[in-house]
Amino acid sequence: RKEVEQDPGPFNVPEGATVAFNCTYSNSASQSFFWYRQDCRKEPKLLMSVYSSGNEDGRFTAQLNRASQYISLLIRDSKLSDSATYLCVVSPRADKLSFGAGTTVTVRA
Amino acid sequence: DTAVSQTPKYLVTQMGNDKSIKCEQNLGHDTMYWYKQDSKKFLKIMFSYNNKELIINETVPNRFSPKSPDKAHLNLHINSLELGDSAVYFCASSQDRQGWNGYTFGSGTRLTVV
Repeated sequence: RKEVEQDPGPFNVPEGATVAFNCTYSNSASQSFFWYRQDCRKEPKLLMSVYSSGNEDGRFTAQLNRASQYISLLIRDSKLSDSATYLCVVSPRADKLSFGAGTTVTVRA
Repeated sequence: DTAVSQTPKYLVTQMGNDKSIKCEQNLGHDTMYWYKQDSKKFLKIMFSYNNKELIINETVPNRFSPKSPDKAHLNLHINSLELGDSAVYFCASSQDRQGWNGYTFGSGTRLTVV
């Protein structure tokens, strides 16, 4: 079983819509969780950390469910510039990050 | 002022050749990494160094040899290149080995072995 699994999508949504997707992780001892964003042919960039109580950063909301071992990302009021691949990242131990293969989101005008 | 810079950006080479990729970070971070992203888009850790000390060496062929002359630099040398080595190689750094504040990635080196 992969350490981090994501629905690859693509999620095609109109501007202004809300889109949400999850990822699951296999190691229950995982310590920290992140969402990264990767544009086509670019490097991954940190979007936000995910905290146990859930957290928001502008239009982006992240949730963590330790019991079911998944994290989620919700994007409200989608913009064209939100089109990207969103990578779920989990730290199964202190000095290692495991990346999911990503969920592709395409926002259309 | 690039935080994590790696060179070259593109590398096309023949099977059997030896090549190197260089990485430098000016963030003052203690820990640096090499990741490989294959055609299926999975990012896989290859190596990590903390203050010039190797701390992670995943199951990577020994044709791949990292070198960290100081904590701001982490280079990757690849011997006897094979077709399957074609991928994008990303260098990254983090403040410390825990990486709680996330990683900063370089822009990647797209390696094509022909």
